[in-house]
Amino acid sequence: DAGITQSPRHKVTETGTPVTLRCHQTENHRYMYWYRQDPGHGLRLIHYSYGVKDTDKGEVSDGYSVSRSKTEDFLLTLESATSSQTSVYFCAIRESGENHYEQYFGPGTRLTVT
Amino acid sequence: KNQVEQSPQSLIILEGKNCTLQCNYTVSPFSNLRWYKQDTGRGPVSLTIMTFSENTKSNGRYTATLDADTKQSSLHITASQLSDSASYICVVIESGGSYIPTFGRGTSLIVHP
Repeated sequence: DAGITQSPRHKVTETGTPVTLRCHQTENHRYMYWYRQDPGHGLRLIHYSYGVKDTDKGEVSDGYSVSRSKTEDFLLTLESATSSQTSVYFCAIRESGENHYEQYFGPGTRLTVT
Repeated sequence: KNQVEQSPQSLIILEGKNCTLQCNYTVSPFSNLRWYKQDTGRGPVSLTIMTFSENTKSNGRYTATLDADTKQSSLHITASQLSDSASYICVVIESGGSYIPTFGRGTSLIVHP
């Protein structure tokens, strides 16, 4: 699992409340990613980071923000949760190096917005 | 827009049988193609990675093929086991520095005893 943990693993929250999901890695990988996975869709990229304080948007970034103040932690924040953000969220890291480097995923966080 | 299409959407087979899953993509320029296995409630786990020059790659009972000319890949599972029941996801990586993968929707495989 490349030392990736996500917290919380499950969360139920109400519409309009802020939510922060945490991804923690133990192997000092430079690149970290946040994806969401919904039925009928492939994994979709929300945001990614290529270093401390270096982040960029993915294809479904609206309504989400991220922060990376330390190499090991990548936080995903829903400023005001909506029902459309009910999903399973996966964090991932990728190894640096050759073009066909590995990407490893965390165990996921199941978020329900009521 | 880059796309990855997988077929079939779902598949049910009996234990011990073989099966083949398909992946067609439009990602260009192409860097590499990956197959992942995702068990229910878990994150995806990599099975194979193939670059442009590789036609086939095996990982135990899993064999992936790639035809970069027709932009097609397949994943063949031999002598299926109950533990093969999972979603199999095809992922294509565009060449360049950003490493933004395009994911297929997956094929859900159920292996019955």
